Amino acid sequence: NAGVMQNPRHLVRRRGQEARLRCSPMKGHSHVYWYRQLPEEGLKFMVYLQKENIIDESGMPKERFSAEFPKEGPSILRIQQVVRGDSAAYFCASSKTGPYLSYEQYFGPGTRLTVT
Amino acid sequence: QKEVEQNSGPLSVPEGAIASLNCTYSDRGSQSFFWYRQYSGKSPELIMFIYSNGDKEDGRFTAQLNKASQYVSLLIRDSQPSDSATYLCAVNMHLQGGSEKLVFGKGTKLTVNP
Repeated sequence: NAGVMQNPRHLVRRRGQEARLRCSPMKGHSHVYWYRQLPEEGLKFMVYLQKENIIDESGMPKERFSAEFPKEGPSILRIQQVVRGDSAAYFCASSKTGPYLSYEQYFGPGTRLTVT
Repeated sequence: QKEVEQNSGPLSVPEGAIASLNCTYSDRGSQSFFWYRQYSGKSPELIMFIYSNGDKEDGRFTAQLNKASQYVSLLIRDSQPSDSATYLCAVNMHLQGGSEKLVFGKGTKLTVNP
C-alpha cells in the first residue's frame, strides 16, 4: 500500500486517558500534516512536521496535545487526558515537497476518536 | 484572518447536468489551489489542482481560476449519483513570518439525483 496509512482507524478512550494516533506518510513523502474534523464541520489544521522537526504547530491546542515525527517510524499525535470535546476524526496528510514549493497533500483514512 | 469561502449548499443537480462549485479566497498572493472530494465518513481525496489562471480539464472535471477576482471553481460535467459528496476547496495562504499554510473551506455538499 503506497498510500498514507493511519492507525488505529477507530479509537475509544474514557475521559482522562491518553490517545495515540499514528501516521505513516506516502512513500517518498517527508512532510506530514495533522487535521481535525468535527462532525459536519470543515478540516482544521493542527500541525505540520518534517522528520524530527515541528515546522508549524499554530493549530495545536496549547495543552494536552503534542506531535512528533521521529527519524525512524511513524508520526504520532498524542492527546493526554482526553475530554469528550476531543471526539473527532483526525486525518493525517503527507506531501512530497514542503509548502514553499507545492501543496499537493494526500490524506490517510483517518482515525475516529470517541471519548466516553 | 486568511479565509476560504464556499457555499455550504446543499447543491442539488439532476443526473447528467453540470454541477458548478465555487470558492473565493482572501489572500491575493495565493499560488496553489486544490479541490478535494470527501464522501460521508471517508477522508478527503485530491481530485484537481490548479496553479495558473484559466481552465484545467481532467475528464469530467474542470477547474477554473481567476486570481484577479480571487475566485476558483470546479465544474463537473455529466454529473453522476456517485459524484454526490462534499467538495472542499483548499488554498495556500501566506502567513506572517513568510510561512505558508493550506487553508480549507468548509465544503459544499453536492447531491446528484438519479
